[in-house]
Amino acid sequence: GNSVTQMEGPVTLSEEAFLTINCTYTATGYPSLFWYVQYPGEGLQLLLKATKADDKGSNKGFEATYRKETTSFHLEKGSVQVSDSAVYFCARYYNQGGKLIFGQGTELSVKP
Amino acid sequence: DAGITQSPRHKVTETGTPVTLRCHQTENHRYMYWYRQDPGHGLRLIHYSYGVKDTDKGEVSDGYSVSRSKTEDFLLTLESATSSQTSVYFCAISESGRFEQYFGPGTRLTVT
Repeated sequence: GNSVTQMEGPVTLSEEAFLTINCTYTATGYPSLFWYVQYPGEGLQLLLKATKADDKGSNKGFEATYRKETTSFHLEKGSVQVSDSAVYFCARYYNQGGKLIFGQGTELSVKP
Repeated sequence: DAGITQSPRHKVTETGTPVTLRCHQTENHRYMYWYRQDPGHGLRLIHYSYGVKDTDKGEVSDGYSVSRSKTEDFLLTLESATSSQTSVYFCAISESGRFEQYFGPGTRLTVT
């Protein structure tokens, strides 16, 4: 099938802790992969992307590497801040209709 | 930020009434999408458009219709609103040849 699975939240961390949010996908071929972030009351913002296997997307201290062997695209950040508190969505491109297929979202709460 | 606006931003309506949500873009992007966001489901595609007057169904299209008479506007209509259509609705746009999508701020719809 075509699906995206994220680790369940909420995830609660202390400021400066290391963050990992797991994301795996099912697909035939190698679709483009994305992480989006949604702050309270706002729409989704593109955080980073990777368009082919072994690509690393990065932005604002966040990174994710496209691993075709494990069909994964885990989001990492070395030192989280309170301002990173948000819901994070992993997504893959699906070429029928050019749509994105989203995971269910992972809520991150960072405490000072 | 991509120039995408949605109107209204909040709406409360009664079961059985028609509702139209509007998405307006200033980016001249070819593709436009309507998603709904519900807890535990991430975002699910309702309908999308690949050009003026060219639209197609997504995975949760029952009870919804769309129209696109101009590049910049994509309308989502609930012909007869039901309580199951209470949700947050997001519009998104993307350029030809690009996989990433950019999202509007959302419309919170409550059907009583």
